[in-house]
Amino acid sequence: AQSVTQPDIHITVSEGASLELRCNYSYGATPYLFWYVQSPGQGLQLLLKYFSGDTLVQGIKGFEAEFKRSQSSFNLRKPSVHWSDAAEYFCAVVGGGATNKLIFGTGTLLAVQP
Amino acid sequence: NAGVTQTPKFRILKIGQSMTLQCAQDMNHNYMYWYRQDPGMGLKLIYYSVGAGITDKGEVPNGYNVSRSTTEDFPLRLELAAPSQTSVYFCASSNMTSVYTQYFGPGTRLTVL
Repeated sequence: AQSVTQPDIHITVSEGASLELRCNYSYGATPYLFWYVQSPGQGLQLLLKYFSGDTLVQGIKGFEAEFKRSQSSFNLRKPSVHWSDAAEYFCAVVGGGATNKLIFGTGTLLAVQP
Repeated sequence: NAGVTQTPKFRILKIGQSMTLQCAQDMNHNYMYWYRQDPGMGLKLIYYSVGAGITDKGEVPNGYNVSRSTTEDFPLRLELAAPSQTSVYFCASSNMTSVYTQYFGPGTRLTVL
């Protein structure tokens, strides 16, 4: 069965520092991968997605992610974190089959220190 | 466009009570979804719909029911509320040209005591 693992439950970075959030997936075929962000008390907002093609994808708010098939990873990066980036980040993969359901990881909570 | 809207934002229920969580979207999306989010567990799919009159179960459907009489609305019904249904519920939608890109509502926080 398809699954997504986000090994880091909680990460703290200093404002202006670089960020990398890890995501590993388990999927037999070429996966459709997503990163969502959830600000406190809000719904999820799509940051970026990968379907095919260039393995480095750009998203909103200065985020990017790189698909590495050999490592089954889709890590999210940002070169310089802003205080407003403090939120919970979810990696997701399309589950396949007749539905378009997304399988979500358990999330990584990002705290930003001044 | 309001996008995906959900009501209420918060609700407290007593064990055994029933309620309906409302979800509406104004993007003319065919696909709609209900998820629940529990701490440390990510989001789990409860029910989904591929169009008016068509619904199907997701991963965790027990204790819930849905209907889809219009394209815009996708209410989630809780019958006989239980403490295990304490969660945050998210509705989402997507369209046929970009089915895998889902747009989420702001959520309903439900507590069952």
